[in-house]
Amino acid sequence: DAKTTQPPSMDCAEGRAANLPCNHSTISGNEYVYWYRQIHSQGPQYIIHGLKNNETNEMASLIITEDRKSSTLILPHATLRDTAVYYCIVSAPSGNTGKLIFGQGTTLQVKP
Amino acid sequence: DSGVTQTPKHLITATGQRVTLRCSPRSGDLSVYWYQQSLDQGLQFLIQYYNGEERAKGNILERFSAQQFPDLHSELNLSSLELGDSALYFCASSVDRQGTRGYTFGSGTRLTVV
Repeated sequence: DAKTTQPPSMDCAEGRAANLPCNHSTISGNEYVYWYRQIHSQGPQYIIHGLKNNETNEMASLIITEDRKSSTLILPHATLRDTAVYYCIVSAPSGNTGKLIFGQGTTLQVKP
Repeated sequence: DSGVTQTPKHLITATGQRVTLRCSPRSGDLSVYWYQQSLDQGLQFLIQYYNGEERAKGNILERFSAQQFPDLHSELNLSSLELGDSALYFCASSVDRQGTRGYTFGSGTRLTVV
């Protein structure tokens, strides 16, 4: 079962920042937060991941609260091409497997 | 192009038949993961292989099997197909066993069982 809670849908105006929240109140100390997105039946795309520090890459920023119970994915200047389902996943990169359990995600609609 | 190649892109077959889906991981990646996505179930983890060995199993039916070959490509075999097996099947790869730095997904195979 997915260990995260995300709003089912959100809207964002083109050019504005999109802030996608994720609740993971039962996260363990060794679990990372991963974000992926899926654009209309294409293969999911890795966006970013983090453990406890905030992370930034060319696609997005990830802000993790100090208690690690929630996080926010920030797309700084959303475009129409960012319309997608965004998945927040927690997973511990240890042991023999890297399987990820996807939940229902947040459908982000970027509007002109 | 993500670097993960899945063939065929589309497949239409009849109930009771058997099909094989193929995946070539990104160059240098040793892990291969298979996921099924149907309209009502979302993305479901099926199975993971690392360097030829099975590492984890998810909700994979007994009618389904997979393997990873010495050249690291993987095949997912689906037999005695039912209408409910119609779905998108995605393959993903990662360089390590734990997927620490994230996966790269292929573009999927759309299977339609009629």
